[in-house]
Amino acid sequence: SYELTQPPSLSVSPGQTASITCSGHKLGERFACWYQQKPGQSPVLVIYKDNERPSGIPERFSGSNSGNTATLTISGTQAMDEADYYCQAWDSSTAVFGGGTKLTVL
Amino acid sequence: QVTLKESGPVLVKPTETLTLTCTVSGFSLSNPRLGVSWIRQPPGKALEWLAHIFSNDEKSYITSLKTRLTISKDTSKGQVVLVMINVDLVDTATYYCARIGSSGWYFDYWGQGSLVTVSS
Repeated sequence: SYELTQPPSLSVSPGQTASITCSGHKLGERFACWYQQKPGQSPVLVIYKDNERPSGIPERFSGSNSGNTATLTISGTQAMDEADYYCQAWDSSTAVFGGGTKLTVL
Repeated sequence: QVTLKESGPVLVKPTETLTLTCTVSGFSLSNPRLGVSWIRQPPGKALEWLAHIFSNDEKSYITSLKTRLTISKDTSKGQVVLVMINVDLVDTATYYCARIGSSGWYFDYWGQGSLVTVSS
């Protein structure tokens, strides 16, 4: 079965750039998307189709996908960005999520 | 305004059958460009996709649980139902329903989630 691998955690200082990676076999040949989940809340889509931002998502969120790695980049990270982030892709009509990355802003 | 809301039991016993309902509003389950998925999250763990259904009744299930899951919809009621048979302690999780976006390949709206505990 298809697997997506994320680093369990990442720490960044406020104002710095956070880059969260998601690895999977030939992931660049599929669309990747990213969700933000804060404690006690439902996930929120922040990036879809590799690099598209839904309405209402700040411009500091961006995405890329090439080769075996998709990357979520948060420029000028703010305290409110502290959350768990999950990547997701599809494999033969089944959805697959990464294990999640806990982003700490300190 | 698009909303999805999960409902179902809070507590089920091992070996019982779990039935969860997702009631949607703001869009139609007959829209050929939209679908609904069920996704779960055990406490403190990652998201796990379970199943989806589209307007043409196309369905798909996670391989590891395929024999235990059934997804269906009632378009007139705006409801998507997930049935899981023979539940186990490891099925304790928050269960979410989510809409599959109009161009596919992502979940653009999520319900609030329904915490289900499996315990004797």
